[in-house]
Amino acid sequence: GQNIDQPTEMTATEGAIVQINCTYQTSGFNGLFWYQQHAGEAPTFLSYNVLDGLEEKGRFSSFLSRSKGYSYLLLKELQMKDSASYLCAVRGSGAGSYQLTFGKGTKLSVIP
Amino acid sequence: DGGITQSPKYLFRKEGQNVTLSCEQNLNHDAMYWYRQDPGQGLRLIYYSQIVNDFQKGDIAEGYSVSREKKESFPLTVTSAQKNPTAFYLCASSIGGGQSEAFFGQGTRLTVV
Repeated sequence: GQNIDQPTEMTATEGAIVQINCTYQTSGFNGLFWYQQHAGEAPTFLSYNVLDGLEEKGRFSSFLSRSKGYSYLLLKELQMKDSASYLCAVRGSGAGSYQLTFGKGTKLSVIP
Repeated sequence: DGGITQSPKYLFRKEGQNVTLSCEQNLNHDAMYWYRQDPGQGLRLIYYSQIVNDFQKGDIAEGYSVSREKKESFPLTVTSAQKNPTAFYLCASSIGGGQSEAFFGQGTRLTVV
């Protein structure tokens, strides 16, 4: 099975940098995804990591350490529109490679 | 425009009635998924289908049923056996498993009264 942990809530200031952590324990691993979800809306894809290291995409970066079962999402130059929930999700491997298991999400509030 | 369409956006049903939520995709994706989202619970997998005429139970399948007769369609029936059906239901699809990202529909908010 999969167990995924994220902080429940975070608050950060407009223009600042925030790091959202995700730890996981899995029986198989085939990649980690980050999604953004505004209240009442569908999640939208932000990033994917399957190898160790940092993936950068504009203001958003995501890091993975497979040996530590750890990932983080880094948001730079925060904007008010970044207020949303950020979901960490893990793909299984083998027979579970179609399963995408989500953490409970981190609600980020950006304040002026 | 390619995408996933869920309908309706809001649905109200009386307790004890079965209700079917629609999910259609024109992305030519093989895999489709149903998730339930409750406040503070994140997304929990109900059922998923890797290919037409095949589907597997997820973590919380009890009280739900699905069918996958066409590649484009993956309807979810919430039966009267589901004890707490009021929730936000999200349908998703992906090209396959592995590194393929999942694309989500806009969701259906089901309220049972």
